[in-house]
Amino acid sequence: DQQVKQNSPSLSVQEGRISILNCDYTNSMFDYFLWYKKYPAEGPTFLISISSIKDKNEDGRFTVFLNKSAKHLSLHIVPSQPGDSAVYFCAAMNTGFQKLVFGTGTRLLVSP
Amino acid sequence: EAGVTQFPSHSVIEKGQTVTLRCDPISGHDNLYWYRRVMGKEIKFLLHFVKESKQDESGMPNNRFLAERTGGTYSTLKVQPAELEDSGVYFCASSSRRSNYGYTFGSGTRLTVV
Repeated sequence: DQQVKQNSPSLSVQEGRISILNCDYTNSMFDYFLWYKKYPAEGPTFLISISSIKDKNEDGRFTVFLNKSAKHLSLHIVPSQPGDSAVYFCAAMNTGFQKLVFGTGTRLLVSP
Repeated sequence: EAGVTQFPSHSVIEKGQTVTLRCDPISGHDNLYWYRRVMGKEIKFLLHFVKESKQDESGMPNNRFLAERTGGTYSTLKVQPAELEDSGVYFCASSSRRSNYGYTFGSGTRLTVV
């Protein structure tokens, strides 16, 4: 019973282009969503988050969009850089419980 | 500030043995979490400490797993006896009470049970 799904295990884009990573969730009680970035042999690193009361949050090259009616969020990276190559995890929580529920991750490869 | 420190970074043990993982959170962080990633799947919640108290241990797989956080500082996660399905990467994370839920994770302990 996977409550957070990342259906694309991998994504390849060219440097300078936009990367779009997608995430779907099933639990309507989730009210906070996060994206983490993970390099090999390291722990996940927090990237950006969004509350369910918003539909967009931007931080530099990273923008997260939330569509609550569709239970869908996406992470846009513009422009993509080779250093962005990593595994990206979508996570969700109900802030009353502070327990992150993660997706299975999408491996992003940005080629020069 | 120093990050979340976990050790050992790798551990290989035989089925039936005992292993203890340790996590040192960021100083002053009341919240400490354990997560596990098995076989390249999703990262799954194990438990949450607030200071020395277990706030939520709903993710602990079974009673072979025992977590402690004596004095509200570092935490240990003991697996006894270890089974093959316990293999995976165990992550610890910490956060302060005023965080934006963007927890700081350690680099993890890769546990292999053979």
